[in-house]
Amino acid sequence: RKEVEQDPGPFNVPEGATVAFNCTYSNSASQSFFWYRQDCRKEPKLLMSVYSSGNEDGRFTAQLNRASQYISLLIRDSKLSDSATYLCAVNPSLAGKSTFGDGTTLTVKP
Amino acid sequence: DTAVSQTPKYLVTQMGNDKSIKCEQNLGHDTMYWYKQDSKKFLKIMFSYNNKELIINETVPNRFSPKSPDKAHLNLHINSLELGDSAVYFCASGGSGDEQYFGPGTRLTVT
Repeated sequence: RKEVEQDPGPFNVPEGATVAFNCTYSNSASQSFFWYRQDCRKEPKLLMSVYSSGNEDGRFTAQLNRASQYISLLIRDSKLSDSATYLCAVNPSLAGKSTFGDGTTLTVKP
Repeated sequence: DTAVSQTPKYLVTQMGNDKSIKCEQNLGHDTMYWYKQDSKKFLKIMFSYNNKELIINETVPNRFSPKSPDKAHLNLHINSLELGDSAVYFCASGGSGDEQYFGPGTRLTVT
């Protein structure tokens, strides 16, 4: 089993739709969690950290479910500009390294 | 100001050559990383340095040698380049919570 797994998609949604991605992790001792966005031919960029209490940034909401060992990213009111690959990253300890998922591709269509 | 910069952005070279990629961060972070992203877009960690010391060395051929002259710089030297080394190489800088900030990438093509 991979340390971090994501549904590769692609997710094709119309503008205005709500879409959610999950990312499962195998190490129950994992301590920090992140979502990154990567546009085509660009570097990954930090989208948001995922806290135990969940967090929200505008149209984006991230949640952590420790019992089931997954994190989620919810995007409301999708925009064309949200089209990208979304990578999750999980860190087993603060001194350790983040392991990245293989990414979920989202295409938002007019 | 660019937080994490890499040079060169593109690198085209022949098999057997030796090449270097440079990375610099101005975020004041102690930790820096090298990642390889292959044609299937999978992002894999290669090395991690903390304050100039190697802390992570994944299963990478010893043709790859990182060097950190100071905590703001982490360079990658590759000897005897092979076709399979063609990929995008990203440098990243790690914050206190291990959030990472990536450089723009170096697209390496070995012919």
